[in-house]
Amino acid sequence: DAGVTQSPTHLIKTRGQQVTLRCSPKSGHDTVSWYQQALGQGPQFIFQYYEEEERQRGNFPDRFSGHQFPNYSSELNVNALLLGDSALYLCASSLAGVRVEQFFGPGTRLTVL
Amino acid sequence: GEDVEQSLFLSVREGDSSVINCTYTDSSSTYLYWYKQEPGAGLQLLTYIFSNMDMKQDQRLTVLLNKKDKHLSLRIADTQTGDSAIYFCALLRVADKLIFGTGTRLQVFP
Repeated sequence: DAGVTQSPTHLIKTRGQQVTLRCSPKSGHDTVSWYQQALGQGPQFIFQYYEEEERQRGNFPDRFSGHQFPNYSSELNVNALLLGDSALYLCASSLAGVRVEQFFGPGTRLTVL
Repeated sequence: GEDVEQSLFLSVREGDSSVINCTYTDSSSTYLYWYKQEPGAGLQLLTYIFSNMDMKQDQRLTVLLNKKDKHLSLRIADTQTGDSAIYFCALLRVADKLIFGTGTRLQVFP
């Protein structure tokens, strides 16, 4: 049973560029949440997708957007990258109606130069 | 607000018990979690407790919840070097949003 997978593992971009991160949820899960973890801090909630729609959003600007596909996989897009966007981006998956357990992927390390 | 606080660092000798503490301000969360993060890795779900419980034990892990004091703790019995990591407490808020603490770095020395 495959767990949560994310790609790529590492990414280096320059200021102003755009980036797309990808997440495949654990088998059988239908809900995907994205978190940003800056160095030395706890993860911060970005947004959550269920049934291909954004259900809830954290305190992040519109430069952060996402998408969920019919197979429940998800993308996180960040436009006009800033130095402060450098972080570990984590994806978590869960099953709607049984949301107690949220399982995280290994993350994508984004460095903005 | 949604403040979740943890002490930054804990150092214990191998074989001893570790106790990692977490305090929070919002008491409306239904579930409270402990996650483990090893260097360069994602978060591993260790255990969780429902808000109407006081204690939960899972092998070497014991979670204690004091709702009156808004205090959550994780006890690791017989701590091993492989337990060295950062431990995060997290609270489940509306629509499955997790609020994380700042993390406690556990160092286990021989």
